[in-house]
Amino acid sequence: GQNIDQPTEMTATEGAIVQINCTYQTSGFNGLFWYQQHAGEAPTFLSYNVLDGLEEKGRFSSFLSRSKGYSYLLLKELQMKDSASYLCAVLHFKAAGNKLTFGGGTRVLVKP
Amino acid sequence: DARVTQTPRHKVTEMGQEVTMRCQPILGHNTVFWYRQTMMQGLELLAYFRNRAPLDDSGMPKDRFSAEMPDATLATLKIQPSEPRDSAVYFCASGLRTVVPTDTQYFGPGTRLTVL
Repeated sequence: GQNIDQPTEMTATEGAIVQINCTYQTSGFNGLFWYQQHAGEAPTFLSYNVLDGLEEKGRFSSFLSRSKGYSYLLLKELQMKDSASYLCAVLHFKAAGNKLTFGGGTRVLVKP
Repeated sequence: DARVTQTPRHKVTEMGQEVTMRCQPILGHNTVFWYRQTMMQGLELLAYFRNRAPLDDSGMPKDRFSAEMPDATLATLKIQPSEPRDSAVYFCASGLRTVVPTDTQYFGPGTRLTVL
């Protein structure tokens, strides 16, 4: 089966940097997604990594190491509106097609 | 501003009743996804469609759940009979790619289902 681990909760200060780690064990890896979800709202897509390395999008960056089964999401210059849950999801091959499996999410609380 | 719409937004029903949730994907999108989210299980992919054909519904309990796309503007998720353990928020999302997309999936606001 698939196993995805990420911390349950993290707290950081406005203006700081926070790194959310995600480790996974899967067969047929075909990419890793990060989503942001504010309480009571739908998830929104942040990033997709399929090759090793760092992808940067403004204040958010995502890193992948396939050999280590490891990814992180880096949030820079934290703002209060960044308080949300961040979901790591792994895409993997199955006989019937691709399947997307989510981690439990990391709740980030940004304090003034 | 194009959005995915879902109806109803909230549904309370009794165990054993049929529940139908509807989703209107963004016009022109060719992939549609159904997700379920609970506190215990987190977010789970139930099924997804490409060009109205089901590509994968292995995440969905087959005995009581069914997903269809009668036309390009409507996707439905039915539960019959419903059970209390089906209580969750059900999200629909649409996108433009032919497999689980590598770019943005657009999520609807969700249907909050409570089965008593």
